[in-house]
Amino acid sequence: AQSVTQLDSQVPVFEEAPVELRCNYSSSVSVYLFWYVQYPNQGLQLLLKYLSGSTLVKGINGFEAEFNKSQTSFHLRKPSVHISDTAEYFCAVSEWDTGFQKLVFGTGTRLLVSP
Amino acid sequence: DGGITQSPKYLFRKEGQNVTLSCEQNLNHDAMYWYRQDPGQGLRLIYYSQIVNDFQKGDIAEGYSVSREKKESFPLTVTSAQKNPTAFYLCASSILTMGGANVLTFGAGSRLTVL
Repeated sequence: AQSVTQLDSQVPVFEEAPVELRCNYSSSVSVYLFWYVQYPNQGLQLLLKYLSGSTLVKGINGFEAEFNKSQTSFHLRKPSVHISDTAEYFCAVSEWDTGFQKLVFGTGTRLLVSP
Repeated sequence: DGGITQSPKYLFRKEGQNVTLSCEQNLNHDAMYWYRQDPGQGLRLIYYSQIVNDFQKGDIAEGYSVSREKKESFPLTVTSAQKNPTAFYLCASSILTMGGANVLTFGAGSRLTVL
């Protein structure tokens, strides 16, 4: 079974600084990878996804992520964060179970942006 | 606009009572899912359904039940058998792709508190 590790439970950063949120997954077989963002008391919104092709994926709100197959990583980056980026970020990987594709989520990283 | 509607947003329940959370989608998606979110634990899959009148248990189905009588609707019942039901519940849906990625769209969630 797949597992997703988000080592940092919380990342504090100052506004306009760069940020990287780390994500590692367990299997090196072909996978689909996702980053979702959750604002307080809301559902999850898709930031970006890697399905195939270029290993650098660009998403909404200026975020990007790089797929690294050899390191089984899919780290999320933003060159300059805003206060409004304060939220919880979840990395997810696809898993096949009896012919059906499910998503396995990490435990999340809370990004705290301060002025 | 298409989307997923979850209701109620907040729900309080006494111990020993069953409660049903509603999830309705107008995206014409085939698959629907229920996840449970607890602080520091990410999202865990409760049940999922690929087609009407069919559903499968996820990783933490004990104490929960679902039905899928209509394509648009996938209600979740939290029964008295669920030992620790206080949590944030998220409903999601996706199209089903052959060999492709099932990209999930989430509702805004329902917060259940057991008194």
